[in-house]
Order: sequence, then structure tokens, then C-alpha cells
Amino acid sequence: QKEVEQDPGPLSVPEGAIVSLNCTYSNSAFQYFMWYRQYSRKGPELLMYTYSSGNKEDGRFTAQVDKSSKYISLFIRDSQPSDSATYLCATGTTDSWGKLQFGAGTQVVVTP
Amino acid sequence: NAGVTQTPKFRVLKTGQSMTLLCAQDMNHEYMYWYRQDPGMGLRLIHYSVGEGTTAKGEVPDGYNVSRLKKQNFLLGLESAAPSQTSVYFCASSPDRTSYEQYFGPGTRLTVT
Repeated sequence: QKEVEQDPGPLSVPEGAIVSLNCTYSNSAFQYFMWYRQYSRKGPELLMYTYSSGNKEDGRFTAQVDKSSKYISLFIRDSQPSDSATYLCATGTTDSWGKLQFGAGTQVVVTP
Repeated sequence: NAGVTQTPKFRVLKTGQSMTLLCAQDMNHEYMYWYRQDPGMGLRLIHYSVGEGTTAKGEVPDGYNVSRLKKQNFLLGLESAAPSQTSVYFCASSPDRTSYEQYFGPGTRLTVT
């Protein structure tokens, strides 16, 4: 069983809708949590980062971490066709030599 | 500032052939990583390096070797390619062990027939 589980989708939403993505993880030692965005045939790029539990907002994007339930969420408000991509969650610890555990990624399609 | 570059972008190999994938970064990062990405499996770490001259095994190291002779370069070698190694390979780098952000290259699409 993978340490980070993520529904692969695809998730199709109309433009302007809220996109809700989530991951679950099994290792309670994970300390920081990230969302990477990957456009088709490109490398992933960091979108959001949070440390420990709580919310973090950046423009239309909100990342949530609930360490008690080992649940990571990403919300995209007012979704745009340019948000169509695969979103990968990732987790790590400060003593893991920078090694991250990635989810399988959820493909999001925002239709005009 | 090119960031992380990978060579080649595409390659088709026959079973048993060998090849080397080159990763180069111009950000003076200490840490470098090689991942493979397969449908439904996400990114899996093959090998990584915490500095020039060092290498370590990741989650799926079998069938691969790596070298980090220069700080800016990280090479991934396949000595005898197998169809199971058909994948997209990504190189990434990060400044140090405390950095949560990894910078990825554009990927190499490898097909082994």
C-alpha cells in the first residue's frame, strides 16, 4: 500500500466551479505537505506548501491539512480552463533527506 | 537561467540495450533526484544524491545506476534495458535537505521494446 493515496480522476468541472482535491496518508511522521501541478508532457511544479495542520490560502487556491485524520485537501475557486492539469500531493519529513512521498495525481479538466 | 534540463527528451531502446540519461541544473543545488512516473503509480524515487560524489538508493533502484561526478550533473544509467523500464523519467533538484520545494526537469520519455 502506498503511503499517500490519491484518486486519479479524471475530475471534470465547468469553468467557474470549485475544484476539490484530496489525499490521505498513512505515516503520522509526515510534517510538511505540498501540492504540485503538472501540465501535460511537462515536469511538476510546486503550487502550494503547508507545514503541520491548518489552512493556507494563495489567490484562488486553498490548501488544508488535517493531521488528526491524515487528510490533505486542495481547493481551487473560480476554476479556469488554464487550471486543467494533473495535481499531485506530496508529503515529507525534515529528516528524510528531502525525499518526498507523492500521490498518484488527480487529472483535472475544466471545460469552458 | 535554464533551471533543470534533461537529455534526451525521447528515446526508444530495444531490450538489452544500455543508455544514459543526463540531468543538469544551474541553480547550485546540493540535492538531486531521479524519479520515474507511470500511470496510476505517481512519482517514484529511483536514486538520489545529497551532494557531489554521493548517491543513494530510493524506492525503486533495481536495474538503474547513477553517478554525480559534478555538482551540476546527475546521470542515470540503464545497463540492460527491460520493457518494465518503459516510463517517463524526471530529474529534480533542491537546495538542501530542509527545502520542501523540488525543481523538476521536463522529463525523458523512454520506450523499451
